[in-house]
Order: sequence, then structure tokens, then C-alpha cells
Amino acid sequence: TQLLEQSPQFLSIQEGENLTVYCNSSSVFSSLQWYRQEPGEGPVLLVTVVTGGEVKKLKRLTFQFGDARKDSSLHITAAQPGDTGLYLCAGGGEETSGSRLTFGEGTQLTVNP
Amino acid sequence: EAGVVQSPRYKIIEKKQPVAFWCNPISGHNTLYWYRQNLGQGPELLIRYENEEAVDDSQLPKDRFSAERLKGVDSTLKIQPAELGDSAVYLCASSLFGLAGNEQYFGPGTRLTVT
Repeated sequence: TQLLEQSPQFLSIQEGENLTVYCNSSSVFSSLQWYRQEPGEGPVLLVTVVTGGEVKKLKRLTFQFGDARKDSSLHITAAQPGDTGLYLCAGGGEETSGSRLTFGEGTQLTVNP
Repeated sequence: EAGVVQSPRYKIIEKKQPVAFWCNPISGHNTLYWYRQNLGQGPELLIRYENEEAVDDSQLPKDRFSAERLKGVDSTLKIQPAELGDSAVYLCASSLFGLAGNEQYFGPGTRLTVT
């Protein structure tokens, strides 16, 4: 089973601070997705990256896919309480998993007002 | 447009009892997924359907779990008999196609507690 390791597992910060969440693997993925999940709800897709070195921005969120397509990062600028949630990375298209998405264990982010 | 619908939202049963979960995907989505999510972890795929065909069920514990997707629309996931370790959130998701880069739309999940 392919592992996607996320770090940190838990992050508690104050409103206005910046943060970065990492997603690492030893395998190559053809695509990498980031989801956010709130309590009692299913994950919601934030972004999909498919090209090594690709950078995508979504308002205050910046996503980067590593050059070798084995890792990714999510950077949040000036975090707000509404950013609180479980952030999940998911890799797809790895040669042994085919079209199956492999999820990381998630980073639980709490932004305190 | 309605999202993925799941029922029930919560279920509490005693071990050794059967339980079933129902999912109605987004209209027009031919790919349907069932995931299990344990507390503090990411979702793990149990089974993936392309229309009515199960194309990836390698991680489904077939001794006690079964699933069906009659007519390629709604789906039911069953556990019989349930064990304590089955307590988790069961998520259903759908997508237009089964490609890894495609967006999957998740339902709210069914939280199962086995006592």
C-alpha cells in the first residue's frame, strides 16, 4: 500500500499567521489533490496539480507539486478561523494504484481568533 | 444541483448485527466510490464502481462486507456481521469518470458505532 505522509499532524495557530503543510511520498504520482474536510462532512476538493513543479494559487492558499511529483505543499497566508479543518492530500495515478486515490492521514488545522 | 446523498447519517448497532448504508451519487456520475475513514485518518477506498461494475474491490473485506450498485445509480454497502473494529465513518463519493485526476464529490458520510 502506497503511503502519503503528511506533516504536521496537528497545527494550532493564531489568526493572521502563515503556515505550510507538507505531503510526501516515495512514489511518483500523476496527480496530487488537496481536500479540506470539516466535522460531520465529506472532504471537498481544493485543487488538483498534475505537472512537476506546478504552483497553483487559490486566494490565500498556494499549492505546489514537487518537481519529481513525489511531494506537495500547501501554504496558507494570513490564516483565518474559517480555514480551520482537516487538510488531506491525495495522490493518484501511481503505477501500482492506477486510478485509485491514496489519501494521507491529514493535517488538523485550528486557527484561533 | 444536489450533491451526494447518504443515509443514515448515524448508526449505532451491537456487534454481530448487520448494517447497511445507502448512497445516491450526483446525477450523471458514472463512477461511485465507498471509503472508510477512521478517526484521525484519511479515507481508505473500499470499492469503486464504473456504472454497475465493481472495477476495484481489492481492499473490501469480502468475508463480511458486500456492496452492490444496481442499474449503475444508487449503491448499498452492507456489513454482516459487524465487529467492533468496523466503527468508522463510511463515505460515498462520485465522479464523472474514474480517472485519478478527476474531482471526487463526497457525501457527508455515515458514522457507524459498533458496541
